[in-house]
Amino acid sequence: QLQLQESGPGLVKPSETLSLTCTVSGASISSSGYYWGWIRQPPGKGLEWIGSIYYTGSTYYYNPSLESRVTVSLDTSKNQFSLRLSSVTAADTAVYYCARRPSSGHPDGWGQGTLVTVSS
Amino acid sequence: DIQMTQSPSTLSASVGDRVTITCRASQSISRWLAWYQQKPGKAPNLLIYKASSLESGVPSRFSGSGSGTEFTLTISSLQPDDFTTYFCQQYSSYPLTFGGGTKVEIK
Repeated sequence: QLQLQESGPGLVKPSETLSLTCTVSGASISSSGYYWGWIRQPPGKGLEWIGSIYYTGSTYYYNPSLESRVTVSLDTSKNQFSLRLSSVTAADTAVYYCARRPSSGHPDGWGQGTLVTVSS
Repeated sequence: DIQMTQSPSTLSASVGDRVTITCRASQSISRWLAWYQQKPGKAPNLLIYKASSLESGVPSRFSGSGSGTEFTLTISSLQPDDFTTYFCQQYSSYPLTFGGGTKVEIK
């Protein structure tokens, strides 16, 4: 059974880089045909897709509104993928979810989410 | 980017009511639309995919319809567990985008 679990610091200072890891169990991130990605939700607000990376690591898509600050990467040796968001501000405070999506389908697995607060 | 406009933002209803939530896309997304239910403090839970396909384990009182730019989620008879928030999402093209959400409240 697919499980995704986010981990990382719950508090990040303004202007620093937010780094999160998603550990996948029940499936290999090297399995063909899947994108691995990140979605966030500010407190009391809606959902925003951040970015996704293909299992090969060679294809990725980022939200244009965040593209200049975002990197999503794979670590196949640990069956993990990661998010880095640079130059954070209070507006980046949110619950961050990791998710899996088949290349031509809907997201079919979500992590439970982790709250990241940007504050000095 | 494809904009998803969801309405209403809040809906007041009673147990047993039939309710409908609408999602409109700014351009055609064929049937590449999902509906999620989200309870406070939890990750979204998939209800419907490909506009009208019921996810395994989801009660049959939930149904979806539509294609192109207009979609609906219908709950045929509201149950106490259904009073929460619902989102639509298009996955026709990147960037993936979500509707703003509909909170279903007890009247």
